[in-house]
Amino acid sequence: ILNVEQSPQSLHVQEGDSTNFTCSFPSSNFYALHWYRWETAKSPEALFVMTLNGDEKKKGRISATLNTKEGYSYLYIKGSQPEDSATYLCAFRGNQAGTALIFGKGTTLSVSS
Amino acid sequence: DSGVTQTPKHLITATGQRVTLRCSPRSGDLSVYWYQQSLDQGLQFLIQYYNGEERAKGNILERFSAQQFPDLHSELNLSSLELGDSALYFCASSPRDERVTEAFFGQGTRLTVV
Repeated sequence: ILNVEQSPQSLHVQEGDSTNFTCSFPSSNFYALHWYRWETAKSPEALFVMTLNGDEKKKGRISATLNTKEGYSYLYIKGSQPEDSATYLCAFRGNQAGTALIFGKGTTLSVSS
Repeated sequence: DSGVTQTPKHLITATGQRVTLRCSPRSGDLSVYWYQQSLDQGLQFLIQYYNGEERAKGNILERFSAQQFPDLHSELNLSSLELGDSALYFCASSPRDERVTEAFFGQGTRLTVV
């Protein structure tokens, strides 16, 4: 059974703080690691899809890194804003036939102004 | 708007009943995925179809079944419903079964079994 773990489970920061979350995934049979942002009452939306060890992706104040050898990815948010409040999900995709995108339980970020 | 349409948005039904959830993928997307999100659980993968054929299977109960039709829309059938089946059911689609392609999610169907 594939295990995708995210930490922390929840996080509360002040506006302007920078923060980061961790996603741990199996280091074998790796193909891709996805990050999604899920706002309340909406559906998850993709932030990044990463495939190569050492990959770094950036979108505005949000960036992510990938280490496939040790099986982890970090998501960073610089200068958090209240509109960043959401649940951030990572999802692992293996390279074996018959597998699909397996999600972690997410990190819920709350940003206070 | 992701372009993925799920109907109905809400569904309340009694234990023992059967329901059908419908998903229309984004135009041109061949892959459809179904996920279940229960209280305190993450998105649990149920099943994937690609161009009408089952491609991957997760922890889908035997009481649940799905199919993808020639027009690429998909239906998830849930039968002999139990209280524990109450959850948010998401459908997602992607253009191909390429593992680097992001998935686009519908708004979900909230099922309540009473």
